[in-house]
Amino acid sequence: GAVVSQHPSWVICKSGTSVKIECRSLDFQATTMFWYRQFPKQSLMLMATSNEGSKATYEQGVEKDKFLINHASLTLSTLTVTSAHPEDSSFYICSARASLETDTQYFGPGTRLTVL
Amino acid sequence: GENVEQHPSTLSVQEGDSAVIKCTYSDSASNYFPWYKQELGKRPQLIIDIRSNVGEKKDQRIAVTLNKTAKHFSLHITETQPEDSAVYFCAARYSSASKIIFGSGTRLSIRP
Repeated sequence: GAVVSQHPSWVICKSGTSVKIECRSLDFQATTMFWYRQFPKQSLMLMATSNEGSKATYEQGVEKDKFLINHASLTLSTLTVTSAHPEDSSFYICSARASLETDTQYFGPGTRLTVL
Repeated sequence: GENVEQHPSTLSVQEGDSAVIKCTYSDSASNYFPWYKQELGKRPQLIIDIRSNVGEKKDQRIAVTLNKTAKHFSLHITETQPEDSAVYFCAARYSSASKIIFGSGTRLSIRP
């Protein structure tokens, strides 16, 4: 149980375009989803916390107008990288937590974004 | 502020020996400390976690210890095997925001 999927697994896009990444909890309802960014050989940097039905809480330094997060249902959160540029190229990973009473986060497989 | 420091950044041990990775955290209110293993290009996998009401937890070859007074916690892997080679991340949950902050990671290599 506790499977989280992401789509797409990798994407290449041209500079200036927008890219949407989906994160789904397949066998549980996720009250909270988290979006992380990971550069090569570096740690996971939390970008934002997303609660179903409410606005995402962004970490300091993360542009909310550039990284749009939507958590419309208990099983789906989306991250849209708007007007992508080469410096946005990274590995984006989501995680999901079933409820406020549980600590465990389950991670998706990640999406590798390359902006040309 | 919210900070988790992890050492060492790289660690190489002989197969069969033990490996120890150490972390410190800054928020004394933190109450949950998971450890993740990440293989190249893959998702982080939870390998063990500990809550602040216990000082030690063990699962087969893996153990975690927590010193709340010093705000230290450590991962111990005994009888290391080649498949233990990966990047390991410690993390701490900051109770004020319910978010988990990760350490910088330790690249563990097991020498045959």
